[in-house]
Amino acid sequence: DAKTTQPPSMDCAEGRAANLPCNHSTISGNEYVYWYRQIHSQGPQYIIHGLKNNETNEMASLIITEDRKSSTLILPHATLRDTAVYYCIVRVAKGGSEKLVFGKGMKLTVNP
Amino acid sequence: KAGVTQTPRYLIKTRGQQVTLSCSPISGHRSVSWYQQTPGQGLQFLFEYFSETQRNKGNFPGRFSGRQFSNSRSEMNVSTLELGDSALYLCASSLGTRGDTQYFGPGTRLTVL
Repeated sequence: DAKTTQPPSMDCAEGRAANLPCNHSTISGNEYVYWYRQIHSQGPQYIIHGLKNNETNEMASLIITEDRKSSTLILPHATLRDTAVYYCIVRVAKGGSEKLVFGKGMKLTVNP
Repeated sequence: KAGVTQTPRYLIKTRGQQVTLSCSPISGHRSVSWYQQTPGQGLQFLFEYFSETQRNKGNFPGRFSGRQFSNSRSEMNVSTLELGDSALYLCASSLGTRGDTQYFGPGTRLTVL
């Protein structure tokens, strides 16, 4: 699975959009971008995933660049409960390994 | 639909003992994966079970083992506990087709004294 790079931390004001970047320059054509988050000492929570098109669900939007070498997770109206470590992972979604390779992730702090 | 459940949530053991952790997947999910999370190593894959068979294995010593039952519930066992085994143990379930989205449980916090 390709490696991802995320900044170690980011701050965001409550109510504003939080834009979380991720670089995955070695991503393969059959690898999806997944986002999870982990609130302190809880299990990681699945947020969203995508291949090449932008995706949106009730939690967030995922914007993937045309060359697929980077992506941005957008939390449209961040709340204090969005404070967590966010993990960007790339993996083969169909026919690939069940193993998720987590990096260090990025700590998002939402400030009042 | 109920999420992934793990029992117990907290556990304290002493060195040399063994421990068994349990995971019940989301109803209909047939794959269960186990991960260990420590401050130093982060989240690391232990193994994955599907249809009662280990389908994938991470780089952990043989003291770490697991199994899966016909109802897809899974257990993992750690024998001869070491201080370094203190960690949050997480299980994740998915439908079972390789690459399906995994959903995590709350974890079991194991402390080895």
